[in-house]
Amino acid sequence: ETGVTQTPRHLVMGMTNKKSLKCEQHLGHNAMYWYKQSAKKPLELMFVYSLEERVENNSVPSRFSPECPNSSHLFLHLHTLQPEDSALYLCASSQAWTGRTDTQYFGPGTRLTVL
Amino acid sequence: GQQVMQIPQYQHVQEGEDFTTYCNSSTTLSNIQWYKQRPGGHPVFLIQLVKSGEVKKQKRLTFQFGEAKKNSSLHITATQTTDVGTYFCAGPAGANNLFFGTGTRLTVIP
Repeated sequence: ETGVTQTPRHLVMGMTNKKSLKCEQHLGHNAMYWYKQSAKKPLELMFVYSLEERVENNSVPSRFSPECPNSSHLFLHLHTLQPEDSALYLCASSQAWTGRTDTQYFGPGTRLTVL
Repeated sequence: GQQVMQIPQYQHVQEGEDFTTYCNSSTTLSNIQWYKQRPGGHPVFLIQLVKSGEVKKQKRLTFQFGEAKKNSSLHITATQTTDVGTYFCAGPAGANNLFFGTGTRLTVIP
């Protein structure tokens, strides 16, 4: 499946580093999402860009910063992360309709390790 | 806030045995989706149920949506090793968002 791609697939970074995760969708969708998945927690929605509106989970720390320059690209900028931020970061896209929830298509994820 | 719980959290079965996972929502859902995530993989959409009491089948998989639209189940008949993974249900959460359940991790012993 190449509908949603993510780079890099694996990332190891120190707590003082700045890095960015990239997601690109080739499905013509107009909504994109960032999820965090850790070993013991279900999929946690971090950010949504849908119909040109940004929605965020208020529990996400400010060291995570999303950017969505257009409907096909989504970034997650990382700055001064903590070891507990180590997780699988999944990007997803869907076709957003007013009042309707559509299927989400996930990318392969970026496995992030913070030392 | 909205909660979607799944039981069991883990299930180990012998190959050939049946498996069922249950999804329970604290609120009524307009629809429910099911996803499967293989070990080391990412969630992949399986099916969406919309109508009260709806039952859908995909080969050995049977999906049900409760009459009250607050619960759902996924049943696998005669499990195979290819069924291993984590199964998530997901319900609508606001406009165009999904709230994922806690997931059931299935292990199939050959």
